[in-house]
Amino acid sequence: QAQLIESGGGVVQPGRSLRLSCAASGFTFSSHVMYWVRQAPGKGLEWVAFISFDGSNKYIDSVKGRFTISRDNSKNTLYLQMHILKTEDTALYFCVKDRREWDLVGSFDLWGRGTLVTVTS
Amino acid sequence: QSALTQPPSVSGSPGQSVTISCTGTSSDIGSYDRVSWYQQPPGAAPKLIIYEVYNRPSGVPHRFSGTKSGNTASLTISGLQTEDEADYYCCSYTSSSTLMFGGGTRVTVL
Repeated sequence: QAQLIESGGGVVQPGRSLRLSCAASGFTFSSHVMYWVRQAPGKGLEWVAFISFDGSNKYIDSVKGRFTISRDNSKNTLYLQMHILKTEDTALYFCVKDRREWDLVGSFDLWGRGTLVTVTS
Repeated sequence: QSALTQPPSVSGSPGQSVTISCTGTSSDIGSYDRVSWYQQPPGAAPKLIIYEVYNRPSGVPHRFSGTKSGNTASLTISGLQTEDEADYYCCSYTSSSTLMFGGGTRVTVL
């Protein structure tokens, strides 16, 4: 069945970098918009970024210029490169798939289990 | 980019109905039918329960329903069951071509 498996989280110091990966399987990865959504400990969900099937992307204001979302359709893998990490970036990062093919509707029908990023000195 | 507004908590007895509101603006909920709802039990990943305002994915019980009026979307759970106890989040597409979640609502079954 369809699944998403995140990796790459860990404990890092403020100002450092980290790259998250998400391996997708069980669906046609290249035809879906993909997202990163995060959840700080004890807090709510926050959309971070998306990348469309055509490679276009968008970011939440707080990560613009620091985070880069990318995808490798040949490897069915989504990435999030994070630079200049801040303590407020500490969260569980979920890889998420849009429900529709070839469209961005913001209906997240498949979630990974998340990978934890902790930014601390 | 402020979050959509949800009540922090709602509660009800088994069999009762509860409704969770999600208030946005004319730049998000008011302009698009791209509103979705998610259920997140403690320690688990969120699960899609309503998409595009009122549609239920396969396998989601019929007691979950969604509506929208103006800048406010609503999720109703009819015939509340103990397994419905969880956090619920709304989400909307925006005129900036971004996505925005609500702050979340904790549903407690008394």
